[in-house]
Amino acid sequence: EVQLVESGGGLVQPGGSLRLSCAASGFSFSTYSMDWVRQAPGKGLEWVSYISSSSTTIYYADSVKGRFTNSRDNAKNSLYLQMNSLRAEDTAVYYCARGFGYWAMDVWGKGTTVTVSS
Amino acid sequence: QSALTQPRSVSGSPGQSVTISCTGTSSDVGGYNYVSWYQQHPGKAPKLMIYDVSKRPSGVPDRFSGSKSGNTASLTISGLQAEDEADYCCCSYAGSYTPLVFGGGTKLTVL
Repeated sequence: EVQLVESGGGLVQPGGSLRLSCAASGFSFSTYSMDWVRQAPGKGLEWVSYISSSSTTIYYADSVKGRFTNSRDNAKNSLYLQMNSLRAEDTAVYYCARGFGYWAMDVWGKGTTVTVSS
Repeated sequence: QSALTQPRSVSGSPGQSVTISCTGTSSDVGGYNYVSWYQQHPGKAPKLMIYDVSKRPSGVPDRFSGSKSGNTASLTISGLQAEDEADYCCCSYAGSYTPLVFGGGTKLTVL
């Protein structure tokens, strides 16, 4: 079964850090690009970051640029999002998603919740 | 990059058709044929319904169709069913700097 499972969310104080992980199974992870997408409480989806299959190309939304780092380990079938200098507005459910065709996402995890609060 | 504009809500009765619009600019929706649509039920992960403006992934009913005219993309759901009640969100490629932008989402109510 094709599956993505996020982990690493939690409660963190403003200015703190968290590292999210996304474990992939049931498909050839190393051949797919991956994205992180977040959803603040009661809000719509917001694209966060893209990483190509071999990590040669990485993009970030302006809202997280310079604070978040997207990376992957194809040997471990895993995707990561290092989040530093967290702000209250980063509070959201964070999803990892598999790239599909040109700029769509066809497999999504269930998400992990990040809460930034003092 | 500004979010794409969608109506906050739409509604329809079972069996009817509804269309959800997604308005961007020539830098995103109007400039590329890379618009996708996602369905999201409460508390669930999004599901891909349409990609490349009008293509359906395997397993998505043909009641769901997509189109684009100028800077506005549209998702049409025909033969509405109760299980179609969900939030729908569009997404467009917006160039290589910040490649993806989502719409604000539309809540579909099946009356």
